[in-house]
Amino acid sequence: EAGVVQSPRYKIIEKKQPVAFWCNPISGHNTLYWYLQNLGQGPELLIRYENEEAVDDSQLPKDRFSAERLKGVDSTLKIQPAELGDSAVYLCASSFGGAPTGELFFGEGSRLTVL
Amino acid sequence: SQQGEEDPQALSIQEGENATMNCSYKTSINNLQWYRQNSGRGLVHLILIRSNEREKHSGRLRVTLDTSKKSSSLLITASRAADTASYFCTGRDAGGTSYGKLTFGQGTILTVHP
Repeated sequence: EAGVVQSPRYKIIEKKQPVAFWCNPISGHNTLYWYLQNLGQGPELLIRYENEEAVDDSQLPKDRFSAERLKGVDSTLKIQPAELGDSAVYLCASSFGGAPTGELFFGEGSRLTVL
Repeated sequence: SQQGEEDPQALSIQEGENATMNCSYKTSINNLQWYRQNSGRGLVHLILIRSNEREKHSGRLRVTLDTSKKSSSLLITASRAADTASYFCTGRDAGGTSYGKLTFGQGTILTVHP
């Protein structure tokens, strides 16, 4: 069974440029998460989807970040324009079940470097 | 709210020794989970313990949960160099607007020397 797939694995851009990350969760997983992880820190939740609905986006900086999960399957996280402080690893995770009590399955992450 | 704060921040041991990491959390949880992260990789789920359980074993892992103290511990027995990684705990929020939310701490960096 394929795991959570993320792309690109690495991205280097200059500040003020846009960037997008893509995530394909495990088949059948209706809950999808985007986390941001700074070096030496734990993951911080940006947004959580239940199917195509964003049920928790309180930590998403909506002035420059946007996310979508069309058809409740794969998802895209966009940053426009990127700032130096956005350099981090963006992790996607998914889990199964209507009740959000189970384990998360993480992708390998997309490492963003903003110059 | 931080639902997982690990202690110590870093742990260095020799291969074959046991490693113990502790975790504290703040609010009511449905379960507590431990994850491992190798350098440059995503997190991998290790073990889940429910709020009505006190101890759970999985291979060389032993997890305890004390809901009265809002704390958990992860014991890795007979450690190997391959256990070198960061370890995170997180609790599934039990209710309110944060129901089901998973919040991670900074993690414990474990280094096992061959």
